[in-house]
Amino acid sequence: GAVVSQHPSRVICKSGTSVKIECRSLDFQATTMFWYRQFPKQSLMLMATSNEGSKATYEQGVEKDKFLINHASLTLSTLTVTSAHPEDSSFYICSASAEQGSPLHFGNGTRLTVT
Amino acid sequence: AQTVTQSQPEMSVQEAETVTLSCTYDTSENNYYLFWYKQPPSRQMILVIRQEAYKQQNATENRFSVNFQKAAKSFSLKISDSQLGDTAMYFCAFMKPLLGGNKLVFGAGTILRVKS
Repeated sequence: GAVVSQHPSRVICKSGTSVKIECRSLDFQATTMFWYRQFPKQSLMLMATSNEGSKATYEQGVEKDKFLINHASLTLSTLTVTSAHPEDSSFYICSASAEQGSPLHFGNGTRLTVT
Repeated sequence: AQTVTQSQPEMSVQEAETVTLSCTYDTSENNYYLFWYKQPPSRQMILVIRQEAYKQQNATENRFSVNFQKAAKSFSLKISDSQLGDTAMYFCAFMKPLLGGNKLVFGAGTILRVKS
């Protein structure tokens, strides 16, 4: 079945540095990928829609300059948390689907801790 | 905009018994999809079951089944013969297929604990 790989699974960084998270669709092409953020015991909050070959679409309240998204190929989207601060510490999950209407497949998530 | 409501923050069930998780949604669309996802402590999102709005027949996957009431905009999940491995957070989700992507709107989630 469709698989989405997300890397790294855990990352600890110092405040002020940038962190890149990769999301890959391993056996299908995804023109669109989605990035979610999740706090403990809460739901997934959509941050942005990553569009291959064009700019990402950000949800209201999400800082574009803070969370840079690049979708350079049909199988890879990256999320870069720039100038990270402790309040950026969270669980980030990417997802993609193979075709319209098909279920989203999720990466295993990245636990980001900013010290 | 679509919204998804899960009114049960937490539930418990005894092993081998049956439990139902509720979900309601609000939309003006006629063609859409509904899903239940499971998120165990590992935090991996696992698809449990899927329902197309145009299908009247309720979806079933082994011990998991749904009660889809389109007019009432209700989409409950029934878990039969509950197992310890069913302990997880369950999310109800709505999807309106868009050209070039499938955006999911999630409910707040229900934490289910299966007790031995």
